[in-house]
Amino acid sequence: DTEVTQTPKHLVMGMTNKKSLKCEQHMGHRAMYWYKQKAKKPPELMFVYSYEKLSINESVPSRFSPECPNSSLLNLHLHALQPEDSALYLCASSQERGRYNEQFFGPGTRLTVL
Amino acid sequence: GDSVTQMEGPVTLSEEAFLTINCTYTATGYPSLFWYVQYPGEGLQLLLKATKADDKGSNKGFEATYRKETTSFHLEKGSVQVSDSAVYFCALSGSNAGGTSYGKLTFGQGTILTVHP
Repeated sequence: DTEVTQTPKHLVMGMTNKKSLKCEQHMGHRAMYWYKQKAKKPPELMFVYSYEKLSINESVPSRFSPECPNSSLLNLHLHALQPEDSALYLCASSQERGRYNEQFFGPGTRLTVL
Repeated sequence: GDSVTQMEGPVTLSEEAFLTINCTYTATGYPSLFWYVQYPGEGLQLLLKATKADDKGSNKGFEATYRKETTSFHLEKGSVQVSDSAVYFCALSGSNAGGTSYGKLTFGQGTILTVHP
């Protein structure tokens, strides 16, 4: 299994809602990542988990809250988002965190904040 | 900090034309280099990679060579197909072990490729 899966595929939420994005991989990878991608732009790194511990937070607002319950699963909890947070949210994983390890991306969750 | 510069697009070609997308980088240490492709409505797929100088990555007819002397990793394909229409991202992975950029992907701005029949 060489796949990263993400659910849901699409999500529409109001600014007062609380929702979660889910990412799963069964490749035995120990590093997992969240990215945000706006239209016609490259992905921007948000968080990196290495061995289930948060190792990079790219100064992301606290309305985004990541969680890594186990080595296969990564969640992104959303609360009180703004319309400018509408974007494609991509999850990725790699064998380990390090320069040799290519990252495998999921298909993304397209988020719309009303 | 690390940075990647890609040629500006969009690039429009006819089927069977030769493709070059230029990519140059600035990095401390010795990064790994990648090309990713993103088809409409999808996530990113790794196209090819190179981890040391003079390495050539290749996949599906695409090639790129890690040139340390010119800090470049240009993508080439001899004969493009309509199905190659996508956005192409050059990226590097930071090499400073213990640093915050270690293993972090830095992307170029992306190049939109459209291939017409």
